[in-house]
Amino acid sequence: QKEVEQDPGPLSVPEGAIVSLNCTYSNSAFQYFMWYRQYSRKGPELLMYTYSSGNKEDGRFTAQVDKSSKYISLFIRDSQPSDSATYLCAMTGGGSNYKLTFGKGTLLTVNP
Amino acid sequence: SAVISQKPSRDICQRGTSLTIQCQVDSQVTMMFWYRQQPGQSLTLIATANQGSEATYESGFVIDKFPISRPNLTFSTLTVSNMSPEDSSIYLCSGQGSGTGFYNEQFFGPGTRLTVL
Repeated sequence: QKEVEQDPGPLSVPEGAIVSLNCTYSNSAFQYFMWYRQYSRKGPELLMYTYSSGNKEDGRFTAQVDKSSKYISLFIRDSQPSDSATYLCAMTGGGSNYKLTFGKGTLLTVNP
Repeated sequence: SAVISQKPSRDICQRGTSLTIQCQVDSQVTMMFWYRQQPGQSLTLIATANQGSEATYESGFVIDKFPISRPNLTFSTLTVSNMSPEDSSIYLCSGQGSGTGFYNEQFFGPGTRLTVL
């Protein structure tokens, strides 16, 4: 079993839809959970991060972490064509355990 | 946030040759990393570039194949040696610990797209 599993999609939705992206993980040492967005031919950029369990909201984006189920989600409300990108989840234990473990990424296309 | 640039942005190389990729950060960072990104795969960490000392390589990656330098806190190079078509991939540099914001955030360069014929 891989440490982080993420459905690669692709996922295609109409503009205005609610998008749900998910990852599962197996390493209970992970404490920081991140979502990166990667546009075509660009490097990944951090979209949101969450420490431990709970929700975090930033505009149209909401990140959720359920450590008991080892499951994280990213919700995008009122999706826009500019949201079309690959979304990668990433996790780390933090501190001296600084390395990030990434999911494969989900390719999202929002159609106008 | 730190801004990272990479050179070259892309290259097509013949098998058996070597390519050196440069990574420049616009501010000092504590840590620098090199990743490989292949289609349909996760970002795979090649190594952590340590300033003034040998890089720390992940399982499956060796110094003879991927020599790395980091002479200071803002610059690093990755060489892909004795290339084969299996080395065709996107190579990404990242930095962490810029002193501002979320410490565990890694800032990525735009990547170097390598094709080996």
